[in-house]
Amino acid sequence: DSGVTQTPKHLITATGQRVTLRCSPRSGDLSVYWYQQSLDQGLQFLIQYYNGEERAKGNILERFSAQQFPDLHSELNLSSLELGDSALYFCASSIRQGNEQFFGPGTRLTVL
Amino acid sequence: GESVGLHLPTLSVQEGDNSIINCAYSNSASDYFIWYKQESGKGPQFIIDIRSNMDKRQGQRVTVLLNKTVKHLSLQIAATQPGDSAVYFCAENGVDSSYKLIFGSGTRLLVRP
Repeated sequence: DSGVTQTPKHLITATGQRVTLRCSPRSGDLSVYWYQQSLDQGLQFLIQYYNGEERAKGNILERFSAQQFPDLHSELNLSSLELGDSALYFCASSIRQGNEQFFGPGTRLTVL
Repeated sequence: GESVGLHLPTLSVQEGDNSIINCAYSNSASDYFIWYKQESGKGPQFIIDIRSNMDKRQGQRVTVLLNKTVKHLSLQIAATQPGDSAVYFCAENGVDSSYKLIFGSGTRLLVRP
């Protein structure tokens, strides 16, 4: 158990819908990262937050957004969902930027 | 685009043998590397890391070797066990202003009993 929690574990929804994925980092970790893992793209970095502020963006679609709250938990919002958004979404946290990242168990999103 | 370890080979080893998993990275300026293990249905699990000022680091039953000259990273697992069966990813810490990890496509390790 990495200490990073993610909910829900599974999510099934329809195209065009909007979902919110939640992540709680390890106690004391200030940095949160979101990654997408699909069969044809591997693990891809989406976005990073550090102590509530956005620090970096990867190949994140405009339909996707995220935020980190004062208690350091983070949410990833996915809207206007498409079939191709079906993937595993992982959250990771680290105590500081540039240190090892610890991953949560992921949320499996299926868009029908 | 950015890439680390594009190939996804499968390595099959006999239980008790040593395993060596290789990874090529693309950015010569990268200064931090991590190996992760991912079992089916689970998130990547941190195994070991190494910074570019080192060429070898050892953990419990694992050793990471870094060859910056040829941009090559390897993970050695001693006395491989059935529980080691998983997909192994190398990752490179981006050298831009972010601290994202750039992952390779992974290597599947199968341990034969």
